Amino acid sequence: AQTVTQSQPEMSVQEAETVTLSCTYDTSESNYYLFWYKQPPSRQMILVIRQEAYKQQNATENRFSVNFQKAAKSFSLKISDSQLGDTAMYFCAFMKQRATGKLIFGQGTTLQVKP
Amino acid sequence: NAGVMQNPRHLVRRRGQEARLRCSPVKGHSHVYWYRQLPEEGLKFMVYLQKENIIDESGMPKERFSAEFPKEGPSILRIQQVVRGDSAAYFCASSNDRGRGNTEAFFGQGTRLTVV
Repeated sequence: AQTVTQSQPEMSVQEAETVTLSCTYDTSESNYYLFWYKQPPSRQMILVIRQEAYKQQNATENRFSVNFQKAAKSFSLKISDSQLGDTAMYFCAFMKQRATGKLIFGQGTTLQVKP
Repeated sequence: NAGVMQNPRHLVRRRGQEARLRCSPVKGHSHVYWYRQLPEEGLKFMVYLQKENIIDESGMPKERFSAEFPKEGPSILRIQQVVRGDSAAYFCASSNDRGRGNTEAFFGQGTRLTVV
């Protein structure tokens, strides 16, 4: 069975600074996908970034980038130039190949961006 | 272009009543997934449905919970005889297929169920 662990329940960062959220996972699959979702107070789940396990290059999406270490089963999210609108709960998620929609989520990290 | 629509956004039920949660997927999507989010936790997969069929219900409680996705109309998650422990946010997601090239499911805003 796959598991996803986020060991930081809460984090804070000053506006304009950089913050890194940690995520580790466990799986015996060789091909899979990893995601970071943002959940603001509105509760809407917003896809921030995704990574295919077979790609060695780390995914980047504007101010968001990941550090994917497949051997270590680590998938951290770096947010650069943090903005007040980044304040939200962030979830790391795992998905087996060809299992779209069936995600395994971590417990989440609450990020507070301070002015 | 409407996304995944869930209603109601908030639902209050007394213990023992039935709760019916509705989900209209993105137009053209035939795959629907239900998740439950308990307070301060991540989302937990409950069930995956494809038009008129339950494909994977490995995350569904064995009793009181059922789901359907009829040929016409929204998907329904039904909880019978609700208890306080059913209080949670219930999310629906949809996708257009599960092929190799498709990796994204779109989420609705969830229904917050409160059992009093």
